[in-house]
Amino acid sequence: GENVEQHPSTLSVQEGDSAVIKCTYSDSASNYFPWYKQELGKRPQLIIDIRSNVGEKKDQRIAVTLNKTAKHFSLHITETQPEDSAVYFCAASSGGYQKVTFGTGTKLQVIP
Amino acid sequence: DAGVIQSPRHEVTEMGQEVTLRCKPISGHNSLFWYRQTMMRGLELLIYFNNNVPIDDSGMPEDRFSAKMPNASFSTLKIQPSEPRDSAVYFCASSSEGGYTFGSGTRLTVV
Repeated sequence: GENVEQHPSTLSVQEGDSAVIKCTYSDSASNYFPWYKQELGKRPQLIIDIRSNVGEKKDQRIAVTLNKTAKHFSLHITETQPEDSAVYFCAASSGGYQKVTFGTGTKLQVIP
Repeated sequence: DAGVIQSPRHEVTEMGQEVTLRCKPISGHNSLFWYRQTMMRGLELLIYFNNNVPIDDSGMPEDRFSAKMPNASFSTLKIQPSEPRDSAVYFCASSSEGGYTFGSGTRLTVV
């Protein structure tokens, strides 16, 4: 089955700096890569996703890139703010019923 | 749209008791997933359904766990008998074209 690895497990940045989280996946059939943000005590929420026919997608301060050849995808957050502090999960899906496999999460701390 | 609705939000029970968690997916979503989240193991997929049919239950830890989806608008996850190591947050999620919408979760504590 699919295996998703995520790095780093924790990340501290100064407010205003950029943050990058990287993931790799194992199943070359994966074609959908969502990212979720989970604030403390709350549910994971979808923040952005990318499909395999696209190399990059941007939504305001967040962007995702995908390298299918290398089986890498990354989340980039620019001009970080304290409210960006949360745990971020990457995920990959290859199943016909939209099952996704999650990475282990990155705890991002933005220091004011 | 009220989103994915889970109940109860919190459950505290004694070891050996039966626990039933409930989930109402978003109307029109044809896939439903049950996850367990702990600090040690992260997000674990327990079971998922498509069009009310169980597709993969390989993540169900033991026979003490069972799940049903009798119709498109309701699913249950049952633990019988419960054990302290079952303490976790249990999330239900539904999807239609890819991205999941999670419910608020049920925080289960077994003492």
